[in-house]
Amino acid sequence: GENVEQHPSTLSVQEGDSAVIKCTYSDSASNYFPWYKQELGKGPQLIIDIRSNVGEKKDQRIAVTLNKTAKHFSLHITETQPEDSAVYFCAASKTTSGAGSYQLTFGKGTKLSVIP
Amino acid sequence: KAGVTQTPRYLIKTRGQQVTLSCSPISGHRSVSWYQQTPGQGLQFLFEYFSETQRNKGNFPGRFSGRQFSNSRSEMNVSTLELGDSALYLCASSLAYDREPYEQYFGPGTRLTVT
Repeated sequence: GENVEQHPSTLSVQEGDSAVIKCTYSDSASNYFPWYKQELGKGPQLIIDIRSNVGEKKDQRIAVTLNKTAKHFSLHITETQPEDSAVYFCAASKTTSGAGSYQLTFGKGTKLSVIP
Repeated sequence: KAGVTQTPRYLIKTRGQQVTLSCSPISGHRSVSWYQQTPGQGLQFLFEYFSETQRNKGNFPGRFSGRQFSNSRSEMNVSTLELGDSALYLCASSLAYDREPYEQYFGPGTRLTVT
């Protein structure tokens, strides 16, 4: 099955600096890669996603890049703010050939701390 | 539009008991997935339901089961609880009506503690 590795497990940055989180996946058939932000006591919140027919996607201060050949994708947060502090998860999924079911395989998470 | 709701938010049970958790998806979403989140194993897929049918199941023992109703609401049940079942149980809903992956939106979770 799919295996998703995520690095680093913890990341501390100064407010205003950029943060980068990297993930690799094992199944070359995976074609959908979402990123989630989870704050304490809450469920994961979808912040951005990318499909395999796109190499990069941006949404304000957040961007995701995908390298299908190397099977890795990254989350970039620019101009970090204290409210960006949370645990971030990458995930992978793929189109199915059967009844249409799919599942997300998650990385282990990155705890991001933005220091004011 | 209201988000995914889960009840109860917190639950304490004793080993050997059973528990039922409930999830109401976003209006119009017919796919509901369940995930278990623990510090050691992270987020792991339990199962997915679409139009009252289980379409996919993760690698969990048969003590974990679920169902979906005609209004897309879903329940999951864990029988003969073990200490290791203590976790945050998350429900996610999605449009997911064909074979392509769709965005999944998570609820706040149910924190289950087994003593």
